[in-house]
Amino acid sequence: GDSVTQMEGPVTLSEEAFLTINCTYTATGYPSLFWYVQYPGEGLQLLLKATKADDKGSNKGFEATYRKETTSFHLEKGSVQVSDSAVYFCALSPLAGSARQLTFGSGTQLTVLP
Amino acid sequence: DGGITQSPKYLFRKEGQNVTLSCEQNLNHDAMYWYRQDPGQGLRLIYYSQIVNDFQKGDIAEGYSVSREKKESFPLTVTSAQKNPTAFYLCASSIDGGGDSEAFFGQGTRLTVV
Repeated sequence: GDSVTQMEGPVTLSEEAFLTINCTYTATGYPSLFWYVQYPGEGLQLLLKATKADDKGSNKGFEATYRKETTSFHLEKGSVQVSDSAVYFCALSPLAGSARQLTFGSGTQLTVLP
Repeated sequence: DGGITQSPKYLFRKEGQNVTLSCEQNLNHDAMYWYRQDPGQGLRLIYYSQIVNDFQKGDIAEGYSVSREKKESFPLTVTSAQKNPTAFYLCASSIDGGGDSEAFFGQGTRLTVV
């Protein structure tokens, strides 16, 4: 079945450092890929998404590129802020019209220190 | 404002009792979902519904039940048959069940069995 593997956390960075959170996936066909963010005590919010190979999703300075050849969707940000401290989830959704459910990675806790 | 409302935010249950978690959305979305989140783990799908009066089991449906009598409401009952119900429960919705449609999440309900 489908699966998503994220780099294990927690990740601790200083403010303005470069961030990479690795995400690889296993799925048949061409799934849609997502990054969600969860702030403490809250639900998840969509951060960015990509629906086909070589698409780049971007939002709030975060970027991720859909790489079919490496089955990856790594999250990057050039300069993190304290307010970016949260848990980040990589997720995939099967080809439109199929199972219609998100498969999530285990999440990566990011802490940014001032 | 449109969104998803889960209530209550915190819930305590005695062993052997059933308890119902509320989820309401005013986004006019067709699809709704229930996920369970345990510490350090990703989200696991309990049940999902693509249309009123229809729902399907997810990966961990045992010990849970749902109903979808109205488009805007998708309550989850945690029954006494659920052996380890203490967890954070998240409700979500999407405009339809398509693979590239964004899921919107509620703020979650933290259930504790005492």
